Amino acid sequence: EAQVTQNPRYLITVTGKKLTVTCSQNMNHEYMSWYRQDPGLGLRQIYYSMNVEVTDKGDVPEGYKVSRKEKRNFPLILESPSPNQTSLYFCASSQTGRMVGYTFGSGTRLTVV
Amino acid sequence: GQNIDQPTEMTATEGAIVQINCTYQTSGFNGLFWYQQHAGEAPTFLSYNVLDGLEEKGRFSSFLSRSKGYSYLLLKELQMKDSASYLCAVRDLADYKLSFGAGTTVTVRA
Repeated sequence: EAQVTQNPRYLITVTGKKLTVTCSQNMNHEYMSWYRQDPGLGLRQIYYSMNVEVTDKGDVPEGYKVSRKEKRNFPLILESPSPNQTSLYFCASSQTGRMVGYTFGSGTRLTVV
Repeated sequence: GQNIDQPTEMTATEGAIVQINCTYQTSGFNGLFWYQQHAGEAPTFLSYNVLDGLEEKGRFSSFLSRSKGYSYLLLKELQMKDSASYLCAVRDLADYKLSFGAGTTVTVRA
């Protein structure tokens, strides 16, 4: 089944403790992206990647890192999480060169206390 | 950049029709997408428009006017399961980025 897999689904952590949210897709998509979703603000892009070893900042990149060493994986790293990073996070992937939408992962609900 | 506006909430009766409007301002347009999102779940793709006009897909239709920076999603024969948030998103010409509006929460009442 074609899908984007995120882990974990839920995570509660403490301020300052490094964490990684994993994202993997099995559709051979070139494009991958991370979004956070907050009430009243909608989905905001954190980082995106057009292909392996090519990453760039989205609208709200502060406090986040990403890497794209393999085509299928695009982990999101919070080096020192803070309470304002409490949010619902979505990974998404897409083909490039065609008019297609994103396929989203199931989401990760992160709480930083 | 993108500026995308849609109403916050709408309520309609089962079996009725609801139209969700979306206006946008963009520096580089490469398509408009509509997604459905149930609470706590991932957005799922509904439709897209890249040229002006109406695209029909079962009970859902989407319209686009690029000159007016305007789109709408039409939901016909509403069912209770259509209660969800509907997201309007514009794709950027340069980097495939989807910029989303804040979403319209539709509540369907019996």
